[in-house]
Amino acid sequence: AQSVTQLDSQVPVFEEAPVELRCNYSSSVSVYLFWYVQYPNQGLQLLLKYLSGSTLVKGINGFEAEFNKSQTSFHLRKPSVHISDTAEYFCALDSGGGADGLTFGKGTHLIIQP
Amino acid sequence: EAQVTQNPRYLITVTGKKLTVTCSQNMNHEYMSWYRQDPGLGLRQIYYSMNVEVTDKGDVPEGYKVSRKEKRNFPLILESPSPNQTSLYFCASSLTYSGANVLTFGAGSRLTVL
Repeated sequence: AQSVTQLDSQVPVFEEAPVELRCNYSSSVSVYLFWYVQYPNQGLQLLLKYLSGSTLVKGINGFEAEFNKSQTSFHLRKPSVHISDTAEYFCALDSGGGADGLTFGKGTHLIIQP
Repeated sequence: EAQVTQNPRYLITVTGKKLTVTCSQNMNHEYMSWYRQDPGLGLRQIYYSMNVEVTDKGDVPEGYKVSRKEKRNFPLILESPSPNQTSLYFCASSLTYSGANVLTFGAGSRLTVL
C-alpha cells in the first residue's frame, strides 16, 4: 500500500521569508510525485511534478521541490513567500501501476503573515 | 478554454433526497474521477472512469453511483444522501490514465446534507 504524509497541517510564515512544506511517502515501487495548490474557493492546480530525471523540480510561482529517494521525501520550498501564496498545499503520489488515482496527503495550510 | 465544469457549486439538501452533481470536460480526456475533500483527511477518491462505459470504485464509494455514457460527462449520483456525505466534491480528468498525466480539477461542489 502507498501513503503520503504531510507533516504539518498548518505552517505560518512571515511575508518574504523562506518556507518549506514537508512531504514523506511510502511505496514499494517507483513513484511519480506531485504538489498541487488549492487557493481559497478554488479547485486544485498543479504546482510541480517529479516523474524521473533531475531530483530538483521547479514549478510555477517560484516553488521548487526535491525528490529524495533514500529519505522518501519530496519537500516543497520557496525562498521568499508572498501574501498571494496563502493556500492549501497537497502532496500526492502515483505508483503508476493502475488507474486508481492519486494518493493525496492531508494537506498543509500555508498562512502568510504580513 | 480547457476546463472541467461542475454543477451545482453549492447545494443544501435533506437526508434521502436524491441528487446528481454533474461534471463535464471539454478536453476529450479519457480518464475522469471524483474526489471528496474533508477537513484533516485530504482528498479521497470515490469513483473513477478509464473511458466510456468503464467505471470502478475508488477508496470511498459507499453511498455513491456514477455513470459514463459519454466521454465528456461523468455525473456523481447520491441516491439517498446522508449527513456524512456533507463534503466538498471535486471532479477531475486527464488525457489517459497514466500516472504521469496531470489531473485537471473542477472548481468543486460544496454539498450540505441536513
